[in-house]
Amino acid sequence: NAGVTQTPKFQVLKTGQSMTLQCAQDMNHNSMYWYRQDPGMGLRLIYYSASEGTTDKGEVPNGYNVSRLNKREFSLRLESAAPSQTSVYFCASRPPGPEETQYFGPGTRLLVL
Amino acid sequence: GEDVEQSLFLSVREGDSSVINCTYTDSSSTYLYWYKQEPGAGLQLLTYIFSNMDMKQDQRLTVLLNKKDKHLSLRIADTQTGDSAIYFCAEYSSASKIIFGSGTRLSIRP
Repeated sequence: NAGVTQTPKFQVLKTGQSMTLQCAQDMNHNSMYWYRQDPGMGLRLIYYSASEGTTDKGEVPNGYNVSRLNKREFSLRLESAAPSQTSVYFCASRPPGPEETQYFGPGTRLLVL
Repeated sequence: GEDVEQSLFLSVREGDSSVINCTYTDSSSTYLYWYKQEPGAGLQLLTYIFSNMDMKQDQRLTVLLNKKDKHLSLRIADTQTGDSAIYFCAEYSSASKIIFGSGTRLSIRP
């Protein structure tokens, strides 16, 4: 049981390049989330998926797209990377019910030059 | 709208108690959480409290909830160097969302 896995761990992009961050969970959770973490700003929700086949915008969706490929996988795509997207990206998943915690992946550190 | 606020830094002496405070705005929140993030790692749940409780204790951790003032606190007794981390307060919102505060960085002085 690997929990939540993310690839890659680190990435350097040039402005304008595109890339996809991958996330997978093997806990059969319905909900999955993408956050970005910036110093002094905590975690900000980019997109989430309450169940397979649905996605919704979070607090900071501009410049990103997501795909809930199946119940296990939730990917985040940057079509044209900008320096403002330099951040640490965390994927999380959660089973149903408000008392249930989110389980976080180890994070992807992205630098956009 | 939904918002969770915390102070950014806290410094305490080893062996003393640490108290990390948080305020939230959504009075309908049913669950409130405390997460811990160690350097280079993701967030891990420390503890949570249901909104109909005032206090929850778990070993060295005590969570106090004042629903009237929408104030949540985390007390760590006998703070150790291993407690150095960023602590996030979070509230359960609607539509499967959990809203996080900006995190409080706890540093321990010898």
